Amino acid sequence: GAVVSQHPSWVICKSGTSVKIECRSLDFQATTMFWYRQFPKQSLMLMATSNEGSKATYEQGVEKDKFLINHASLTLSTLTVTSAHPEDSSFYICSARVEGSTEAFFGQGTRLTVV
Amino acid sequence: GENVEQHPSTLSVQEGDSAVIKCTYSDSASNYFPWYKQELGKRPQLIIDIRSNVGEKKDQRIAVTLNKTAKHFSLHITETQPEDSAVYFCAARPSREGNTGKLIFGQGTTLQVKP
Repeated sequence: GAVVSQHPSWVICKSGTSVKIECRSLDFQATTMFWYRQFPKQSLMLMATSNEGSKATYEQGVEKDKFLINHASLTLSTLTVTSAHPEDSSFYICSARVEGSTEAFFGQGTRLTVV
Repeated sequence: GENVEQHPSTLSVQEGDSAVIKCTYSDSASNYFPWYKQELGKRPQLIIDIRSNVGEKKDQRIAVTLNKTAKHFSLHITETQPEDSAVYFCAARPSREGNTGKLIFGQGTTLQVKP
């Protein structure tokens, strides 16, 4: 199947700093990628849809100025958590779909801890 | 928008028994329903999916049924094994999002298979 790679796998940052997470489709082009957030023992909550070459579409309640998404190429989307706070600590996962396919492939996730 | 409800939240079965997880969705226009298995700290893996024009699909010990009229779908795992222990998520894709692949997830079910 298609491979989606996410980097870093985990990161610890100080409160007030920004953290960038990368999501890459390694063997296919993805015009659309998705960013999810998952708290411990909870579901995947869709944060935003990342569109190559255009602005991301954010879900209701997600602060676009705090979670900056850039989809500059057909294989890379980035999520930047700006001015991170402890409540932003979570597991962030991206996914992408191969054009013409229904299956969504997930990255391995990034465990963000803000101290 | 679409809302997906999943039950039960936890399920414990004896090895060899069957396990059933149920989901309901709210948007009658949803047309794709995947099931994901997620082990602790890892990415979700697609285990089976079904489209809205099909009522049932089976893959070895795993089957999914869909009732479009009632707007619910279920995952059936037969002859469960300890390695089936994981968190299972159902999801639905609203058809209006068909071009992007956006998925809305249920809350998840923690399945424990006791040896």
